[in-house]
Amino acid sequence: QVQLVESGGGVVQPGRSLRLSCAASGFTFSDYGMYWVRQAPGKGLEYVSLIWYDGSNKYYPDSVKGRFTISRDNSKNTLYLQMNNLRTEDTAVYFCASDPLRRPAAGTYFQHWGQGTLVTVSS
Amino acid sequence: DIQMTQSPSSLSASVGDRVTITCRASQTINSYLNWYQQKPGKAPKVLIYAASSLQSGVPSRFSGSGSGADFTLTISGLQPEDFATYHCQQTYITPWTFGQGTKVEIK
Repeated sequence: QVQLVESGGGVVQPGRSLRLSCAASGFTFSDYGMYWVRQAPGKGLEYVSLIWYDGSNKYYPDSVKGRFTISRDNSKNTLYLQMNNLRTEDTAVYFCASDPLRRPAAGTYFQHWGQGTLVTVSS
Repeated sequence: DIQMTQSPSSLSASVGDRVTITCRASQTINSYLNWYQQKPGKAPKVLIYAASSLQSGVPSRFSGSGSGADFTLTISGLQPEDFATYHCQQTYITPWTFGQGTKVEIK
């Protein structure tokens, strides 16, 4: 069955960097768009990045634009999130999720989710 | 950004109850509205997409309705495994935004 397993979380000081990974299995990873979504403690969900199936298109909301970079290695069935210049407000559980399509568009939804990895930004 | 407002923020209900959760968008979003269920410490799971389409494998007691800016998730006959937090999400205009969540607790 579909499995998404995140890793790379931990405690980091403000201004530092961290790279998250999401290992995919049970489906043809290279055929689907992928996302990172985060959830601050006790808060709602926030979508932080999107990448098309082939990496040709990416999207970031203003809250992380210029600091976060999403990428994927289809040969390794792995999704990444490079997070630079981290802020205390980036503290959250980070989930990866898959789209049902190669090129996510209006009307889509987040089909499969990983269990998440906790990132704590604190001095 | 489109703001999604869910009501109530929490509710208490008994097994067998009919439960209704509403989600209002700050502007029209056509029918591009999804509902997710999340249990403590777990990942969200999609229940309903495109306002009223039931995701494969989801029990038929879950249903969604609405269009434009007002939407509803209904659970007909609450089961013990349904106690969770429910999130709505619009995918009409990026950034695709979520509501703040509705926690369904046991009465």
